This record gives sequence, C-alpha cells and structure tokens, in this order.
Amino acid sequence: AQKVTQAQTEISVVEKEDVTLDCVYETRDTTYYLFWYKQPPSGELVFLIRRNSFDEQNEISGRYSWNFQKSTSSFNFTITASQVVDSAVYFCALKSAGAQKLVFGQGTRLTINP
Amino acid sequence: KAGVTQTPRYLIKTRGQQVTLSCSPISGHRSVSWYQQTPGQGLQFLFEYFSETQRNKGNFPGRFSGRQFSNSRSEMNVSTLELGDSALYLCASSLRGQVETQYFGPGTRLLVL
Repeated sequence: AQKVTQAQTEISVVEKEDVTLDCVYETRDTTYYLFWYKQPPSGELVFLIRRNSFDEQNEISGRYSWNFQKSTSSFNFTITASQVVDSAVYFCALKSAGAQKLVFGQGTRLTINP
Repeated sequence: KAGVTQTPRYLIKTRGQQVTLSCSPISGHRSVSWYQQTPGQGLQFLFEYFSETQRNKGNFPGRFSGRQFSNSRSEMNVSTLELGDSALYLCASSLRGQVETQYFGPGTRLLVL
C-alpha cells in the first residue's frame, strides 16, 4: 500500500526565516511520481512541483527548493527567506505510474508571522 | 488558458437530499478526477473519468457517482446525503491522466445539515 507521511502538523516561523517541510513516502512501485501542492485559505490546491522516481536531481525555483532522496524515501521542501504570502497548508502527494489516484499526506499548516 | 472551474462554490443541503457538483477541466484536458477533503480523513480520491468512462474508483459508497460528457466536463452526484458528506470537493484535470500532473479547481464546499 502507498502512504505519505507529513509528520509536521503545524509550523510557525517569523518572516525571512528558512523553513523545511518534511515528506516521507512508502511505495513498492519502481516508477512513481511525487508532488507538492499549496492550499491557501481559498481552498484551491496549487501545483508547485512534480518529481519522477528516476530523477533524483534536486530542484530550485526562486525561494523554493526540493530535496528528493530515494535512499530515505523523502521529498522535503524548503522555503528560503519566508514571506507572509507563503502561509498556507502544504501537501505532499504520491502517484504510481499507470494510476490516476494521488495519495496525499495529511498536510503541514505553515504560518509565517510578520 | 483558463483553469479548472467548479460550480457551485458553496452549497448547503439537508440530510437525505441529493446534490450534483460540476467541473469544467482545463481546455484540452480529457481526464477529470474528484477528491473529497475533510478535516478527519484528509484528501481522498473518489474517482477518475476519461473519455466519458470511469477509469478508476476510490473506496467510497455507491451513493457517490459521477459522469463525464463528450466535452470532458464532469459532474459528481451524491445521493441520500449524510452529515459526514460535509466536505470540500475538489476536481482535478490532466491531459490524459496516468502520468501527467493534475491541476485542481477551487472546490465546492458542501455543508450537510
């Protein structure tokens, strides 16, 4: 069975601090995809990044960076120099190749205080 | 390109009633998936439609059903509503499903009284 664990339920930091959101996954598939989505108070899930299981390169996009490590089954997300607009719930998700279903973690509520 | 749209955005129903939610995917996307989000269970997959056929189904009772039209628009129906059906229902679209990224709509917030 597939499972995604986001152990941090809530994180609160002061603006401009760096913050890392943890994601650990379980799957028996050799080909799979990992995602991060952001959910602001409006409710819509905003796509941030997708990673294929065969591509372990880390990625940076502006203040956002992602660290994918197959050896520890982790796909962590770091926000550098956080801003108040980063406040949201962040979800990590897993999908098998050939399946449509996304398996989500429970989410991490991130609050950036001014 | 316009994103995924869902109507209505908010809905209040009473137990025993039925409800229909609508989702219009991104233009050109043929796969539509539905998810239920509740505080207790989190985000759970309901079903996926592709080319007017249900291709995948989650672990929900038969009261939850859906369909897809030839223009890829999808509807989801919940019959005999229960209090526990109160949730945010999210629709997501992708080009063909399977490997592409799913893009989500704003959701329909359903409250069952």
